[in-house]
Amino acid sequence: SAVISQKPSRDICQRGTSLTIQCQVDSQVTMMFWYRQQPGQSLTLIATANQGSEATYESGFVIDKFPISRPNLTFSTLTVSNMSPEDSSIYLCSAGTGAGANVLTFGAGSRLTVL
Amino acid sequence: TQLLEQSPQFLSIQEGENLTVYCNSSSVFSSLQWYRQEPGEGPVLLVTVVTGGEVKKLKRLTFQFGDARKDSSLHITAAQPGDTGLYLCAGYGKAAGNKLTFGGGTRVLVKP
Repeated sequence: SAVISQKPSRDICQRGTSLTIQCQVDSQVTMMFWYRQQPGQSLTLIATANQGSEATYESGFVIDKFPISRPNLTFSTLTVSNMSPEDSSIYLCSAGTGAGANVLTFGAGSRLTVL
Repeated sequence: TQLLEQSPQFLSIQEGENLTVYCNSSSVFSSLQWYRQEPGEGPVLLVTVVTGGEVKKLKRLTFQFGDARKDSSLHITAAQPGDTGLYLCAGYGKAAGNKLTFGGGTRVLVKP
């Protein structure tokens, strides 16, 4: 199955700054997704990263706050903009690898702490 | 309210005991998946069930999909400390907008 690398793995950020998380897949995948997770809790889908077009955001998430790029079938970035302490979380990149892309492989996550 | 409700939220047992985690919904899913996540890692797929009433076994883990495809259970026999982790069920289908939606998760701690 696909191997997903995310970086940074963790970071401590200042309020008001922005941070970009990178996600690299070792093979071409059709679907890529970004999730947010509080430690020990469930996953919330932020958006679907679409190759060559704008990402599709879930309710409660907007492009200005979480701009996403997907320049090709193996790479995506998520930016967390104008961060506040409420943005402290684990951000996970995933790729759809099953038929219909409904089986997910995840990266190890990027743990952000906003002070 | 989440589309998929997992119970219990937390389970602490001794090595060698059995445990069951439940994943329930009022909606029908095309398929249901179980993932396990360890600290500092992303979730890893354990199994996918697609047929109502289906039972799958993975060593000491037994997964069952309800007849109506609305619920699932994960049973671990003779749990080991290596089974410790966050267990997540995830459903796919029209009810979830043809996307994967996750349950709230069950934290399992197996003490030696």
